[in-house]
Amino acid sequence: TQLLEQSPQFLSIQEGENLTVYCNSSSVFSSLQWYRQEPGEGPVLLVTVVTGGEVKKLKRLTFQFGDARKDSSLHITAAQPGDTGLYLCAGVNYGQNFVFGPGTRLSVLP
Amino acid sequence: DTEVTQTPKHLVMGMTNKKSLKCEQHMGHRAMYWYKQKAKKPPELMFVYSYEKLSINESVPSRFSPECPNSSLLNLHLHALQPEDSALYLCASSQVKISGNTIYFGEGSWLTVV
Repeated sequence: TQLLEQSPQFLSIQEGENLTVYCNSSSVFSSLQWYRQEPGEGPVLLVTVVTGGEVKKLKRLTFQFGDARKDSSLHITAAQPGDTGLYLCAGVNYGQNFVFGPGTRLSVLP
Repeated sequence: DTEVTQTPKHLVMGMTNKKSLKCEQHMGHRAMYWYKQKAKKPPELMFVYSYEKLSINESVPSRFSPECPNSSLLNLHLHALQPEDSALYLCASSQVKISGNTIYFGEGSWLTVV
């Protein structure tokens, strides 16, 4: 059974601080996605990473896929209150067997 | 904006009611999914359709009945639900690829069973 772990589970920081959240597994994934979800809304796709070692940037967000394609990180620079939400990682090895991590709940205080 | 559309956004139903949740996507995806999400938890897979055929049923109770009328539509028929079935129901779609797949979610349907 493929499992994804995320850390930390909860994070509360001040506006302007930097942070990194992690998504780890003992399994290899052919792709991994990061989503941000606000209460009562569906998860919104932020990025898909496919190649081991790949780094993608989305404004203040930097995503990295581990060389072995078993883990990923999300780094946010100068966090803003609008970054508050649940960050989910999801991986798929083959086909449609998506596995979700438990999420990191981020709160950015003004 | 999500390209997966779900209706209704909110639904309140009694335990003897019959209702349906609807989902539509126009991305040409041939895999569609239903997930259930409780508060502060990640989405839990319920059903997967590939090429309009049910390919995965995660031991979901028969009071939930999925239907895929065509490649763009996915329904979830609800009958005799229990209060513990109250949750956010998420529809999603993806390509049918061997690897490197991405799943896209709708905005969800909030279901309250009274």
